[in-house]
Amino acid sequence: EPEVTQTPSHQVTQMGQEVILRCVPISNHLYFYWYRQILGQKVEFLVSFYNNEISEKSEIFDDQFSVERPDGSNFTLKIRSTKLEDSAMYFCASRAAGTSIYNEQFFGPGTRLTVL
Amino acid sequence: QKEVEQNSGPLSVPEGAIASLNCTYSDRGSQSFFWYRQYSGKSPELIMFIYSNGDKEDGRFTAQLNKASQYVSLLIRDSQPSDSATYLCAVNIPFTYYGGSQGNLIFGKGTKLSVKP
Repeated sequence: EPEVTQTPSHQVTQMGQEVILRCVPISNHLYFYWYRQILGQKVEFLVSFYNNEISEKSEIFDDQFSVERPDGSNFTLKIRSTKLEDSAMYFCASRAAGTSIYNEQFFGPGTRLTVL
Repeated sequence: QKEVEQNSGPLSVPEGAIASLNCTYSDRGSQSFFWYRQYSGKSPELIMFIYSNGDKEDGRFTAQLNKASQYVSLLIRDSQPSDSATYLCAVNIPFTYYGGSQGNLIFGKGTKLSVKP
């Protein structure tokens, strides 16, 4: 069964360093998302991406964040200068084409980011 | 502020019983509703989705939607210890509200379910 994959599974970094989280969405999916979940809290939307551009972003997704689809398969989230409060589980999700009403998003296993 | 509310639990049921999980949402224009299961330290796993008022059954799971009351629920019949997890309710933000949004999901905090053998 096709699935979303993410690497690395765990990333430890020092405050102020740049990190890149990688995702490979399901191959025939066209819409891609990043969410994060701080330990013990709810899953929060960060950004959606379609047709090689950002469709929507939340207030969390400030200038320190960027996304890219550098090739036909990978989808990346970059945090330029990490803060302690960026420590969280970051989930990539994707969905197939079609109206967003049928918004069945499938999540990857996540990357646990720890900022020291 | 668009909100999705769930009782955080824990909800404890004996094995074989029916577990009932509830969710309310604030945005009356919400169009689709999703239940995800999340085991500790793992990613959300889609269990069911529902778009129309009424019930939708899939195996041991039944989703119920009442748009007038802005209420969605998940029933798990014949609960098993392996069903012990946190159940997340998620609501789809409508396309038209964001003029081109590809639909992000607003999640509740989740209800922790414990099924006792």
